[in-house]
Amino acid sequence: NAGVMQNPRHLVRRRGQEARLRCSPMKGHSHVYWYRQLPEEGLKFMVYLQKENIIDESGMPKERFSAEFPKEGPSILRIQQVVRGDSAAYFCASSLYQAAGQPQHFGDGTRLSIL
Amino acid sequence: AQKITQTQPGMFVQEKEAVTLDCTYDTSDPSYGLFWYKQPSSGEMIFLIYQGSYDQQNATEGRYSLNFQKARKSANLVISASQLGDSAMYFCAMRELQGAQKLVFGQGTRLTINP
Repeated sequence: NAGVMQNPRHLVRRRGQEARLRCSPMKGHSHVYWYRQLPEEGLKFMVYLQKENIIDESGMPKERFSAEFPKEGPSILRIQQVVRGDSAAYFCASSLYQAAGQPQHFGDGTRLSIL
Repeated sequence: AQKITQTQPGMFVQEKEAVTLDCTYDTSDPSYGLFWYKQPSSGEMIFLIYQGSYDQQNATEGRYSLNFQKARKSANLVISASQLGDSAMYFCAMRELQGAQKLVFGQGTRLTINP
């Protein structure tokens, strides 16, 4: 019974390159959230997706960042032309449905380092 | 706007003692959920306990309990009989039950259990 799977676990990119982070939600979960965590800080919401739809992207930077959750396959968080400030841990979470007590189950995160 | 405040950057406790981690919140939404997550040094986010705004009783899960004082807008986590493996970062989070239902996290408390 696999949990939320994120890959890669660690990703190193040079400034100007593209970073692609993948997230496979728990089986049967159709709600996916992406969060970013800077060192010694709490997680900050980026985007909420359901299958093929972006529901809320109010936490996403307006440029260079995009997310998708296709009908088939994992959710992808894409960062174009990365800069040093993009270095962070990126977490994906999924939930079965939207209800009061439904916790969001997190993956182990992707640690992105920009050289 | 939602806000979560954790005022204790670090806590040091002797093994087997009980510890209380503070969390206060601010929201204008009458319906919300409060969560605690544990983040060990390995980096994953582990769901611990949930409290709903309309729950009459404090939530408990094994050695974890939540001291929910709605009028004071506080949701402190109590860990009984602490163990060395409890050493980790602990995050309080809130989820309003409207809109995207994203989690808003506090800054976290680093708990260290001393033998």
